[in-house]
Amino acid sequence: DIQMTQSPSSLSASVGDRVTITCRASQSISNYLNWYQQKAGKAPKLLIYAASSLQSGVPSRFSGSGSGTDFTLTISSLQPEDFATYHCQQSYSTPIYTFGQGTKLEIK
Amino acid sequence: EVQLVETGGGLIQPGGSLRLSCVASGFSVGDNFMNWVRQSPGKGLEWVSVIYSGGSTYYADSVKGRFTISRDNSKNTLYLQMNNVRAEDTAMYYCAKFERYCTSSSCYLWFDPWGQGTLVTVSS
Repeated sequence: DIQMTQSPSSLSASVGDRVTITCRASQSISNYLNWYQQKAGKAPKLLIYAASSLQSGVPSRFSGSGSGTDFTLTISSLQPEDFATYHCQQSYSTPIYTFGQGTKLEIK
Repeated sequence: EVQLVETGGGLIQPGGSLRLSCVASGFSVGDNFMNWVRQSPGKGLEWVSVIYSGGSTYYADSVKGRFTISRDNSKNTLYLQMNNVRAEDTAMYYCAKFERYCTSSSCYLWFDPWGQGTLVTVSS
């Protein structure tokens, strides 16, 4: 099975900061990579699909990039509502759809 | 509006059985790929099972042989039958629809939307 590893596991940042979260696959997954945001006590919400396509309604400060094994989620200017946990997920190796362990973004 | 609502969670003893339900609105469960995803307390997300529109089903190794995914198209409902549960099955269980985008050479899948989740606690 393909393993997905996110770094860092947690991150402290301030409003207005530029933040980057990394997701690495144990083997090439082309661009079959999605990103989700999960706020405390809530279900995950899709942010980015196919590595770099922004889901409708998601603010443009969120962006995704990468291909192969290395991917990044970037928030260009952190807003108060962005403090949450972020998860990556691969859909290359169907029908086993693995997630990363999550990155918790906290207020500094 | 596309919506998923899970029910059926609760406290169950190790070795017991439980059936989770997920009622869909705004789309047809039978025409889509539907999933169960779980999250243990304080942990990451774990994909559990999928049922494709054609009826094929697949499971994570951690639940294979113990859990069964199914659907009732007339009720527009997805189910997860959980048998012989273990302490490590304790989690919030979400149902999620697969959204698909296909080009001439690739098909991309992502989970959207998700239900609000139902909590399963396995403890004696």
